[in-house]
Amino acid sequence: QVQLQESGPGLVKPSQTLSLTCTVSGASIRSGVFHWSWIRQAPGKGLEWIGLIYDSDTGNTYYNPSLESRASMSADMSNNQFSLRLNSVTAADTAVYFCVNYYKGQGGRGYWGHGTLVTVSS
Amino acid sequence: DIQMTQSPSTLSASVGDSVTITCRASQSINYWLAWFQQKPGKVPKLLISKASTLETGVPSRFSGSGSETEFTLTISSLQPDDFATYFCQHYLGTSWTFGQGTRVELQ
Repeated sequence: QVQLQESGPGLVKPSQTLSLTCTVSGASIRSGVFHWSWIRQAPGKGLEWIGLIYDSDTGNTYYNPSLESRASMSADMSNNQFSLRLNSVTAADTAVYFCVNYYKGQGGRGYWGHGTLVTVSS
Repeated sequence: DIQMTQSPSTLSASVGDSVTITCRASQSINYWLAWFQQKPGKVPKLLISKASTLETGVPSRFSGSGSETEFTLTISSLQPDDFATYFCQHYLGTSWTFGQGTRVELQ
């Protein structure tokens, strides 16, 4: 059973960096079977795709153009985790952050973490 | 980047109604589209992948169709458990955007 679990601070101050980690169990990040992604949802709003580790072995990553200048994702194969860093945060970055994996070539099939609420406030 | 336009934003319906939600892509995405259902405070649930493939365990009253730039999600006989918000997401290329969502509410 594949499971993803987000972890990180629930409160971040404006202008600081939001850092989240997704710990994966039941699947190996180095397996090459999945893409690895972060998605967020501001309170009462829709889903926003943040970015994607397309291939964990090459480390190729892609980001939502609206967040590209502030977002960074990476994979830690030794700990079977992947992470998100979002710098220069504002209140607009307050959201539930989900880590997700997608089976390659399966058009949406995969697993979601339960999500973690990050609030940006002083 | 490919933009996804979903409509309507809100849909009022009754139990037993047939409802249709539309998602339009700003350029062709072939069949690389999925539909999700989300209830308040819950993780989105995948209903349909590759535009029309019903996921295991999803009731057959849900169906997806379309290709290229226009896609639809139809619920053939709305049940009480179906009142929720629905999102489309495309998977072409390396920037995977969501539609804005459609809230299906009880009329």
